[in-house]
Amino acid sequence: GAVVSQHPSWVICKSGTSVKIECRSLDFQATTMFWYRQFPKQSLMLMATSNEGSKATYEQGVEKDKFLINHASLTLSTLTVTSAHPEDSSFYICSAPPTGGNEQYFGPGTRLTVT
Amino acid sequence: RKEVEQDPGPFNVPEGATVAFNCTYSNSASQSFFWYRQDCRKEPKLLMSVYSSGNEDGRFTAQLNRASQYISLLIRDSKLSDSATYLCAVRRNGFNKFYFGSGTKLNVKP
Repeated sequence: GAVVSQHPSWVICKSGTSVKIECRSLDFQATTMFWYRQFPKQSLMLMATSNEGSKATYEQGVEKDKFLINHASLTLSTLTVTSAHPEDSSFYICSAPPTGGNEQYFGPGTRLTVT
Repeated sequence: RKEVEQDPGPFNVPEGATVAFNCTYSNSASQSFFWYRQDCRKEPKLLMSVYSSGNEDGRFTAQLNRASQYISLLIRDSKLSDSATYLCAVRRNGFNKFYFGSGTKLNVKP
């Protein structure tokens, strides 16, 4: 299957700081990528759809000014958690369907802990 | 109403058992269906796509019932290594966005 990477795999930051998470499709191009958040023992929650060359589309209840998304190229999307708070601590996962493909492939996830 | 609903379980079964999970979806425009497996603290991994005619991959069989709007996953001869959370996902025709169920946890015991 296609390969999606994320960086970093885990990060600890202090409350009030910003954290950037990268999502890369390694062997295919993706005009669209998705960002999910998963709290312990809960399901994946779609946060936003990242669109190459245009603005991201956010799901209801997700603050676009807090979770900044940039889809700079066909292989890279970034999620920046601004002014992070302890309640933002979660597992953030990106996914991408190869352009024209039917399936989605997930990155390994980034575990964020805000102290 | 949630787009996709699953029984959260857990399903506790002995090795060798056959276990089945169901997943219902609310939007009849859903076009593509998938089962993913997620291990603890890991990302979901695609287990199999679900085709209209049903499909089988080794011990795993997936079926789709469009009339009743549900998909199922059957695991035969359960192994300890099958212990995980199984997520169903649906995609509407013409959209890239996937909707995931909350996942069903499976514990296979020796």
